Amino acid sequence: EAGVAQSPRYKIIEKRQSVAFWCNPISGHATLYWYQQILGQGPKLLIQFQNNGVVDDSQLPKDRFSAERLKGVDSTLKIQPAKLEDSAVYLCASARVGGYEQYFGPGTRLTVT
Amino acid sequence: AQSVTQLDSQVPVFEEAPVELRCNYSSSVSVYLFWYVQYPNQGLQLLLKYLSGSTLVKGINGFEAEFNKSQTSFHLRKPSVHISDTAEYFCAVSEGQGAQKLVFGQGTRLTINP
Repeated sequence: EAGVAQSPRYKIIEKRQSVAFWCNPISGHATLYWYQQILGQGPKLLIQFQNNGVVDDSQLPKDRFSAERLKGVDSTLKIQPAKLEDSAVYLCASARVGGYEQYFGPGTRLTVT
Repeated sequence: AQSVTQLDSQVPVFEEAPVELRCNYSSSVSVYLFWYVQYPNQGLQLLLKYLSGSTLVKGINGFEAEFNKSQTSFHLRKPSVHISDTAEYFCAVSEGQGAQKLVFGQGTRLTINP
């Protein structure tokens, strides 16, 4: 089966600009996660969806970050406006309903200058 | 709140030597434990998981881990490492059943020297 797809793989923007990342989960996986991985740290959950509903967005900086999962399939994460500290790898993962294993995409490396 | 501590940020070992990567967690409830590996410029791949049952868990690529509830540890081991094992390793914990969020440690960089 095809894995989790993410695009773009790399993005360089200036601070205060906006950026969007796209994720397509494994077919049939109802649960989708966005994680932020800052260099030298482990991934940190930003938001979790089940189908098109939000399960957990407690660590999402809502003043600048937004995410949606229309139709319960692919998802978009947006940052507007970006700050220098947003430089990180943004990982998307998916899982079956009730499943314990999360499958990760290759990530999008964002550099904010 | 749950947290994960990986006791070593970097572990250098020689090829064919054994290795242990240490992980301790804190949680007030039953947990599920995972080890993931991340190769350069790639996403995370599951090595192994502990959900219940035997405390010794075997995973892919010859890795194994032992769950120790009294010491709240889940250390990862491999008896003989290869150059291809060079990567970043992350310990993670989740609470509750099903597809819950993962809380990760800060990672251990394993470097294999020839």
